[in-house]
Amino acid sequence: GQNIDQPTEMTATEGAIVQINCTYQTSGFNGLFWYQQHAGEAPTFLSYNVLDGLEEKGRFSSFLSRSKGYSYLLLKELQMKDSASYLCAVRIPQAGTALIFGKGTTLSVSS
Amino acid sequence: EAGVVQSPRYKIIEKKQPVAFWCNPISGHNTLYWYLQNLGQGPELLIRYENEEAVDDSQLPKDRFSAERLKGVDSTLKIQPAELGDSAVYLCASSPRVGANVLTFGAGSRLTVL
Repeated sequence: GQNIDQPTEMTATEGAIVQINCTYQTSGFNGLFWYQQHAGEAPTFLSYNVLDGLEEKGRFSSFLSRSKGYSYLLLKELQMKDSASYLCAVRIPQAGTALIFGKGTTLSVSS
Repeated sequence: EAGVVQSPRYKIIEKKQPVAFWCNPISGHNTLYWYLQNLGQGPELLIRYENEEAVDDSQLPKDRFSAERLKGVDSTLKIQPAELGDSAVYLCASSPRVGANVLTFGAGSRLTVL
């Protein structure tokens, strides 16, 4: 089976930096995605990594190491609105373009 | 550009009753997905369509769930009869056939079975 692990919950304060880790053991790999999901809302796309290294997009960055089966999402200058669930998802060849999701990490940002 | 539209947003039914969810994907997106999301969990794939063809329905419980995508655009997911364990959010997503094939999700249909 496919396995994607993330911490269940994290807390941080406004203005801080937080790193959300994701490890995966899957039969094949065609890319890793991060989504943000506020309570009661749709998951929204944050980042995509298919090659090793760091992808930076504003306050958010995502890193991938394919040899280690590891990714992280880095959030800088945290704001209250960043309180949400962060979903790590992997694409594997057998599933075509579909994504396999982890259980998500609930981030709470306090003032 | 309009996003993925789903209806209804909320549905409360009694067990053994039927229920249907509708999804209108982003215009031009060939691939459509139905996911199920339980509280505190990540989305789980139910079925994937390429145009009007269901190319992966291996996770769809076919004894009570059915889906269709007429003319390769809108899609309907049906449950008949519903069971208590079907209470969840049903998410629809679509993706284009370009680039990273990024999935865009609708807001979901929240089902409560009493």
